[in-house]
Amino acid sequence: AQSVTQLDSQVPVFEEAPVELRCNYSSSVSVYLFWYVQYPNQGLQLLLKYLSGSTLVKGINGFEAEFNKSQTSFHLRKPSVHISDTAEYFCAHGGATNKLIFGTGTLLAVQP
Amino acid sequence: DTGVSQDPRHKITKRGQNVTFRCDPISEHNRLYWYRQTLGQGPEFLTYFQNEAQLEKSRLLSDRFSAERPKGSFSTLEIQRTEQGDSAMYLCASSLEPYGTGAPGTQYFGPGTRLLVL
Repeated sequence: AQSVTQLDSQVPVFEEAPVELRCNYSSSVSVYLFWYVQYPNQGLQLLLKYLSGSTLVKGINGFEAEFNKSQTSFHLRKPSVHISDTAEYFCAHGGATNKLIFGTGTLLAVQP
Repeated sequence: DTGVSQDPRHKITKRGQNVTFRCDPISEHNRLYWYRQTLGQGPEFLTYFQNEAQLEKSRLLSDRFSAERPKGSFSTLEIQRTEQGDSAMYLCASSLEPYGTGAPGTQYFGPGTRLLVL
């Protein structure tokens, strides 16, 4: 069965510092990967997605992620975070049926 | 494009009561998904529709849960005889699945309905 692992439940970081949120997925034939952000009491907003092609994917709000097939990873990065980036971030894997399997989430806590 | 909407946003009910949630997807999206999210967890897949056909249901969807999408537009999720364990955020998402390419459409999520069963 497909699975997604987000090892870090919480990542504290100072404003303007770089950040990396880690995501590993279970290998499967079809690999479609997504990062979503969720602000308190809101739904999920898509940050970026990998369907095929270039392994470096750029998304909204200055985020990017790199697909690494050999390491089955899809880590999310941002070179300089802002207070407004404080939120829960979810990595998700979509397979052949396109239903999404989500990780448990990582809370990015940006401190001034 | 007004986005995915859900109604109500919040629902408090007593154990044993029935509740119904509504989801209005982005117009012309042919696929609609329901997920459930409990505190501290990622969303878990419940079911999805391709137009009006319900194509897959998760084992999480017990007999007390039923979902419909009668005309291939809005969808309802009903929970009968609610239990305290049903307390969660219920999320709806929709997507436009391109035919023949194999790659999935992007799922756009609504704001969710937060259910509290007392």
